[in-house]
Amino acid sequence: EVQLLESGGGLVQPGGSLRLSCAASGFTFSSYAMTWVRQAPGKGLEWVSPISGGGGYTYYADSVKGRFTISRDNSKNTLYLQMNSLRAEDTAIYYCAKGHSTSTNSYFDYWGQGTLVTVSS
Amino acid sequence: EIVLTQSPATLSLSPGERATLSCRASQSVSSYLAWYQQKPGQAPRLLIYDASNRATGIPARFSGSGSGTDFTLTISGLEPEDFAVYYCQQRGNWLTFGGGTKVEIK
Repeated sequence: EVQLLESGGGLVQPGGSLRLSCAASGFTFSSYAMTWVRQAPGKGLEWVSPISGGGGYTYYADSVKGRFTISRDNSKNTLYLQMNSLRAEDTAIYYCAKGHSTSTNSYFDYWGQGTLVTVSS
Repeated sequence: EIVLTQSPATLSLSPGERATLSCRASQSVSSYLAWYQQKPGQAPRLLIYDASNRATGIPARFSGSGSGTDFTLTISGLEPEDFAVYYCQQRGNWLTFGGGTKVEIK
């Protein structure tokens, strides 16, 4: 059974940093692209950053480019999102999602339960 | 960036009725379109991919159609558990999500 478990969310002040983690199990982690998708309170879905299975290819939404860094440790089956210079508009539930295929440009067939990031003073 | 416009924003129907949801792309995405269902407090769930393929475990009452710029998700007879928000997502030209359609009980 595929499981994705996010952690690391919380309350942070504007300008602060946070590191999210997503522990994966039930599939060959290194074979699939993974993506962080976020959802602001009461709003729709927004892709944040995908990463290829090997970790060599990463992409970022314009809204987070230069501030967020995605990475993965395939030996630990874990996905990360380092978030710096956080802004109020980054407040959202952050989901990690497994790619439906090996491509970073994919659908998402499994999602974690999400972790809430709140940026506020 | 491809913009996906979903309509209507809200669909009020009774259990057993047929639901028809629309997703229109600002330019062609071929058949690279998916549909997700999201219930309150839950993560999205993949229903349909590549416009018309049901994901694993998805009931046959869910069907998708379309190609190019116009797509439809049909729920042939609404069950109580189908009242939720539905999103479309394209991967034909990078990644974008639509704004969602809420299917509510009339």
